[in-house]
Amino acid sequence: SYVVTQPPSVSVAPGKTARITCGGNNIGSKSVHWYQQKPGQAPVLVIFYDSDRPSGIPERFSGSNSGNTATLTISRVEAGDEADYYCQVWDSLSDHVFGTGTKVTVL
Amino acid sequence: QVQLVESGGGVVQPGRSLRLSCAASGFTFSSYSMHWVRQAPGKGLEWVAVISYDGSDKYFADSVKGRFTISRDHSKNTLYLQMNSLRAEDAALYYCAREQHVHHAFDIWGQGTMVTVSS
Repeated sequence: SYVVTQPPSVSVAPGKTARITCGGNNIGSKSVHWYQQKPGQAPVLVIFYDSDRPSGIPERFSGSNSGNTATLTISRVEAGDEADYYCQVWDSLSDHVFGTGTKVTVL
Repeated sequence: QVQLVESGGGVVQPGRSLRLSCAASGFTFSSYSMHWVRQAPGKGLEWVAVISYDGSDKYFADSVKGRFTISRDHSKNTLYLQMNSLRAEDAALYYCAREQHVHHAFDIWGQGTMVTVSS
């Protein structure tokens, strides 16, 4: 089955930029989505189809996907962005894989 | 408002069965593919199963294939997960989620229902 890897943790100072990667073989040919999960809460979709933002998600959240790496970028990081972030790769109805998750810590 | 509410979780002995439910409201349930995703305590998200909008297609993660079934009742706007032959490793918070029509992301999630497998 398709394997998707993320760094376990990313630390960033407030106001700086956090970049979270999601690696997979030729992931650039697949659709990648990103979810934010805060402690005790359900995941929330923050980026879909590589780089689209659902309504209500700040423009500070952006995404890209090319080659073997998809990236979630959080600009001007705020304390409220501290959470676990998961990428998800969609290839077909039968093929949904979540990444291992990245804990973002705001210093 | 658009909402998914899971129920049916609890403590169950290994080898026994449990059925989870997910009540949908605020949208046309019969138009969307629906998923179950689980999260073991302190662990990441694991996709479990999907059922197409009309129930004609169903797929399962290898870890539950042959033990879990997924179904839906459009008259009740409810999604189900029948879990048989439960194992300790099935213990997790189980979420139901709605799949977007076009880009297939999970845009609506429930709050989850907890399943504990213990003798």
